[in-house]
Amino acid sequence: GAGVSQSPSNKVTEKGKDVELRCDPISGHTALYWYRQSLGQGLEFLIYFQGNSAPDKSGLPSDRFSAERTGGSVSTLTIQRTQQEDSAVYLCASSLNRGRGYEQYFGPGTRLTVT
Amino acid sequence: KNQVEQSPQSLIILEGKNCTLQCNYTVSPFSNLRWYKQDTGRGPVSLTIMTFSENTKSNGRYTATLDADTKQSSLHITASQLSDSASYICVVSGVDEIQGAQKLVFGQGTRLTINP
Repeated sequence: GAGVSQSPSNKVTEKGKDVELRCDPISGHTALYWYRQSLGQGLEFLIYFQGNSAPDKSGLPSDRFSAERTGGSVSTLTIQRTQQEDSAVYLCASSLNRGRGYEQYFGPGTRLTVT
Repeated sequence: KNQVEQSPQSLIILEGKNCTLQCNYTVSPFSNLRWYKQDTGRGPVSLTIMTFSENTKSNGRYTATLDADTKQSSLHITASQLSDSASYICVVSGVDEIQGAQKLVFGQGTRLTINP
């Protein structure tokens, strides 16, 4: 079956512009996660969805970052007024449920470059 | 603070040789430890997952070990192949006590290069 897909695969934007990154999780997966991977850094947790609600937004680095999920499926991560330090690979993962032991399946990521 | 540290940061070996990657963690409470392989431009793919009671798990030429007492894990790759060139990420899962959600703490990864 289809895995997690993300779009676009690459995004170059000018500083100050807004960007939207999309994640299509595996069908039937109720849990969805967003991570950021900066060059030379480990993956950094951003936000977690269970269904359409986000019980854990603790990783969002600033109020310029927001995310939503509709229909318990597609999620969009929005970064407003992008800064150069936002340049990173943004990874989305989904899992069947939220508890321990449920495997998270990762998408290929969106590489964001802010110039 | 929950942390996962990996060593070495990078490693270059010749095709056919074996290697061992290390992971130390301080995540608590501990749920499980995973090793992921991440090819350039791709998302991480799970290799092994071990719970507290497991101390070794194999997946083909990959063998992971876990010492929950010392909070250390290793990933051993035998008879390396060119396709093993990738980043290997150690990920420790704790459980958010309030939300009950799985929280993953990622290491920075070891960049492995296999040369012919």
